[in-house]
Amino acid sequence: EPEVTQTPSHQVTQMGQEVILRCVPISNHLYFYWYRQILGQKVEFLVSFYNNEISEKSEIFDDQFSVERPDGSNFTLKIRSTKLEDSAMYFCASRQRDGNEKLFFGSGTQLSVL
Amino acid sequence: DAKTTQPNSMESNEEEPVHLPCNHSTISGTDYIHWYRQLPSQGPEYVIHGLTSNVNNRMASLAIAEDRKSSTLILHRATLRDAAVYYCIRRPSGSRLTFGEGTQLTVNP
Repeated sequence: EPEVTQTPSHQVTQMGQEVILRCVPISNHLYFYWYRQILGQKVEFLVSFYNNEISEKSEIFDDQFSVERPDGSNFTLKIRSTKLEDSAMYFCASRQRDGNEKLFFGSGTQLSVL
Repeated sequence: DAKTTQPNSMESNEEEPVHLPCNHSTISGTDYIHWYRQLPSQGPEYVIHGLTSNVNNRMASLAIAEDRKSSTLILHRATLRDAAVYYCIRRPSGSRLTFGEGTQLTVNP
């Protein structure tokens, strides 16, 4: 089965630094998502992206966060100035069509902010 | 927020059936019921979804109550690999998935 690929699997950064998390969604998918999961907590929605623009975002997704689809294959999440509380597992997901199509999730990037 | 209620944890024995319950008493007529699971150190994985009728796929079955206020995910023969957190999610068509706490399923050998 096709997969969503995320790189790197682990990222360590210093507080205040910028990080970019990368995802390669499944090739014919049109809807893209970022979720995060702080250790021991729920999986939380951050943002959804369709047709080269954000379609929905949560309260977590503030001005420090941005997403981009720089080419036909990559989907990135940038955190401009990381905080300690940004430490979490970040999951990228994609789906093919509108409606109730299932989401495919990547295995995540573990971000540690020191 | 779309709310469901699940037990925090359940236990099963290998090769026995598992019935994971979910209550969604305030579900609206157009909300689908989705189930995802999360194995340790992995991203969520789709299991099954349905609207009104019972559904079967290669992973599981979904039994939806006639009034749609509850549903049950059925794993027909649990394996050790099925140990995971199972999430029952109400999802208005096309909207984002909102995860709750889920049910931690332990499978005993």
